Amino acid sequence: QKEVEQNSGPLSVPEGAIASLNCTYSDRVSQSFFWYRQYSGKSPELIMSIYSNGDKEDGRFTAQLNKASQYVSLLIRDSQPSDSATYLCAVYKAGTALIFGKGTTLSVSS
Amino acid sequence: ETGVTQSPTHLIKTRGQQVTLRCSSQSGHNTVSWYQQALGQGPQFIFQYYREEENGRGNFPPRFSGLQFPNYSSELNVNALELDDSALYLCASSLLEERANYGYTFGSGTRLTVV
Repeated sequence: QKEVEQNSGPLSVPEGAIASLNCTYSDRVSQSFFWYRQYSGKSPELIMSIYSNGDKEDGRFTAQLNKASQYVSLLIRDSQPSDSATYLCAVYKAGTALIFGKGTTLSVSS
Repeated sequence: ETGVTQSPTHLIKTRGQQVTLRCSSQSGHNTVSWYQQALGQGPQFIFQYYREEENGRGNFPPRFSGLQFPNYSSELNVNALELDDSALYLCASSLLEERANYGYTFGSGTRLTVV
C-alpha cells in the first residue's frame, strides 16, 4: 500500500461547480496534512494545511480531515478555469519529511 | 522576505557525468528537503537536512548526496548520472519546531535532462 494515495483523474467539472478531491494515507501517526496546487511546468504551491479533525475553510477552499478513516479531502467551491491544475496531497509525521501522493488532475471547463 | 531560489533552472548532462544543484532557503527556515519529480508523478522525497545534518532519506541510492550550509542553503549532488535521473528536482524549505511542521515552500525547480 502506498503511503499517500490519490485518484489520478482527470476530474472534470463545469465552471461554478464544486470540485471534490480525495486522499488516503497509510500511517496513523501522521500529524500534518497539506494540499498543494501545481500548474503544468511549475513547482507546487501550498494552498491549504490542516492539523486536526474536522473542516478548515479558506475562501473557496475547504479541507476536511478524518484521522480515524485516514482520509483527507479538498473541496473547491465555485470552480474557475484558473483552478485547472494538478492537486497534490501531502502528509507529514515527525521524524520524516513531507510525503506526496501522485496528484489529481482537475479540469474546469468554461 | 525572500523565497526559495534554485539554480540552475535547466541543465543537460551526459550519462555517467556528475551534477550539482543548488538551493537557497527561505529566510527564517531551518530545514531543506529535496524532491525528484518525474513527468506525471508526485514529488518523490530524496533527503532532508535540519541544522546541517541529514535527518531523513527516501528510497534513493547513495549516488544522491547532499549538504546543508550554516546559512541554510543546500546542494544536491548526483554522481554517475543515469537516463532515469531526468526529472524536475525541487528544493523545499520549512520551519521545523518541536517536531511540528508548518508546510514546505518550494523553489521553482531545476529541470535536469540526461542524454
